Amino acid sequence: AQSVSQHNHHVILSEAASLELGCNYSYGGTVNLFWYVQYPGQHLQLLLKYFSGDPLVKGIKGFEAEFIKSKFSFNLRKPSVQWSDTAEYFCAVNAMDSSYKLIFGSGTRLLVRP
Amino acid sequence: DVKVTQSSRYLVKRTGEKVFLECVQDMDHENMFWYRQDPGLGLRLIYFSYDVKMKEKGDIPEGYSVSREKKERFSLILESASTNQTSMYLCASSLGQGDAGELFFGEGSRLTVL
Repeated sequence: AQSVSQHNHHVILSEAASLELGCNYSYGGTVNLFWYVQYPGQHLQLLLKYFSGDPLVKGIKGFEAEFIKSKFSFNLRKPSVQWSDTAEYFCAVNAMDSSYKLIFGSGTRLLVRP
Repeated sequence: DVKVTQSSRYLVKRTGEKVFLECVQDMDHENMFWYRQDPGLGLRLIYFSYDVKMKEKGDIPEGYSVSREKKERFSLILESASTNQTSMYLCASSLGQGDAGELFFGEGSRLTVL
């Protein structure tokens, strides 16, 4: 069965620190990849997505992610975090032979200290 | 902006009661989804629908059913609620033609079963 692994469940950083959240998936075929974010008390919203083309994708609020097919990874990065980035981050994968199923990772809670 | 509206933000029900969770989207999206969100488990897909009157089981359909009589509305039904169904339920929709596409989420319905 397809699965998505997020290795860090809780991350605590100080403002201006760099961020990298890991995401690995288990599926050998074509995938669409997503990062979603859930700010405290708010609904889930899309941060960025990869469908095809340049494996380095840029999203909102200075986030970016790199798709490395050989490593089945789609790690999220931000060079300098802000207090307002405190949120829970979810990686998600849509395997193209399971067309409508978007599988989510277990999430990473990020706390940014001012 | 896409708006996905879930009818109830908070519900408290007793074991054995029938529970209806309603979801409406206003962007003429083809696909609609029901997930449950539990700490440490991320989002797990219960059911999805890619067309009116069409439904497909997700990863955890047991104890749930769904109804999609109109394109904009997707209902989740718990025929006989149990305590292990206490959770946050998230509805989502997507335009996606042939795949899940980008999901737009509602605010969530937090269900407590006593």
